Formats: sequence, C-alpha cells, structure tokens
Amino acid sequence: AQSVTQLGSHVSVSEGALVLLRCNYSSSVPPYLFWYVQYPNQGLQLLLKYTTGATLVKGINGFEAEFKKSETSFHLTKPSAHMSDAAEYFCAVRDNTGGFKTIFGAGTRLFVKA
Amino acid sequence: EAQVTQNPRYLITVTGKKLTVTCSQNMNHEYMSWYRQDPGLGLRQIYYSMNVEVTDKGDVPEGYKVSRKEKRNFPLILESPSPNQTSLYFCASSLSIGGEETQYFGPGTRLLVL
Repeated sequence: AQSVTQLGSHVSVSEGALVLLRCNYSSSVPPYLFWYVQYPNQGLQLLLKYTTGATLVKGINGFEAEFKKSETSFHLTKPSAHMSDAAEYFCAVRDNTGGFKTIFGAGTRLFVKA
Repeated sequence: EAQVTQNPRYLITVTGKKLTVTCSQNMNHEYMSWYRQDPGLGLRQIYYSMNVEVTDKGDVPEGYKVSRKEKRNFPLILESPSPNQTSLYFCASSLSIGGEETQYFGPGTRLLVL
C-alpha cells in the first residue's frame, strides 16, 4: 500500500525566504512522485513530477524537488518566496507499474509574509 | 484552448436522489480521474480511466460509479447520494509520453447533500 505524509499543515515564510515543504512517502514499488499547487478557489496545477533518473526535478514557477530514496522523501523547495506563491501544496505518489491509482497527502498551506 | 469542463459547478441535492456530474476534456487525453477534496484530508481518488471502456477503482470508490464510453467524457454518477458525499469534486485528464506528463484539472464541482 502507498501513503503520503506532508509534515506541517501550515507553513509561513517571509517574502524572499527559502520555501521548504516536506513530503514523505511509503510505497512497496518504485514510485512516481508529484507536487501540485492549488491557488485559492481554483483547481489543481501540476508543479513537477519525478519518474526515474535524475533525483532533482525542476518544475514550474521556480520550484524544485529532490527524490531521496534512502529517506523516502520528496521535499519541495524554492530559493526565494514570492507573495504569489501563497497557496496549498499537495504531494502525491503513484506506483510506476502501469496503473493510475494516485494517493495524495493532506496538503500544506503556504503563507508568505510581506 | 485546452480545458477540462465540469457541470454543474454547484449542486445542492437531497439524500437518495440520483445525480450525475459531467466531465469533458478536449485534448484527446487517454487518462481521466475523479477526485474528492475534503478539509484536512487532501484529495482522494475515486475512480480513474486509462482509456475508453477501461476504468478502475481509486482510493474511495464506494457510493460512486463512472463510465467511459467516449474518450472525451468521464461522468461521475452518484446513484443514491448521502450526506457524507458532500464534498468538492475535481475531474482531471492526463497525457503521459516517455515519462513526461501533462495534466489538466477541471474547475471543481461543489456538492451539498442534505
């Protein structure tokens, strides 16, 4: 069975500071890993996806995430937060054996202080 | 314009009255999914479809049905809605080529079951 844990339901950073959103996963098979963003009152948008190969994945809007198999983690980072980054972020896992069953974390709401 | 449309966007109904939420995509994507979003629980996948006439259960399929008779449409059917199905529902479509994935989410359908 797969599961995703996002550490911290709320994270607050100052504008210009590093953004770090934590995600740990559990999967019995090699996973695909995702980060999504949901802006207030909007649908979800795919930020980035890890499949295989390079463990540092670059996404849209300056975000990136690093897959660490030994730590079963896939933390999302951005060097400098903008006010426009305030949103809810979801980590998700899918097995890479051909199915499409996807498990999401509970989400982390990011607040950016001016 | 590439998009996923859902109808209705808002719906209030009563327990036991069958309803259908439609989902349509104009990108010829093979994969489509339905999710529900509840506070503190993130998104949970209800059903997914990997192609026409191919559907499978997600994490929380109980009380829901789907069909995929055409590639563009993936309706979600609640045969006998109950109050615990009050939620925000999202439809999504995806195209995966060589590990690269494009995903689009619909705007959401907010359902209240009395």
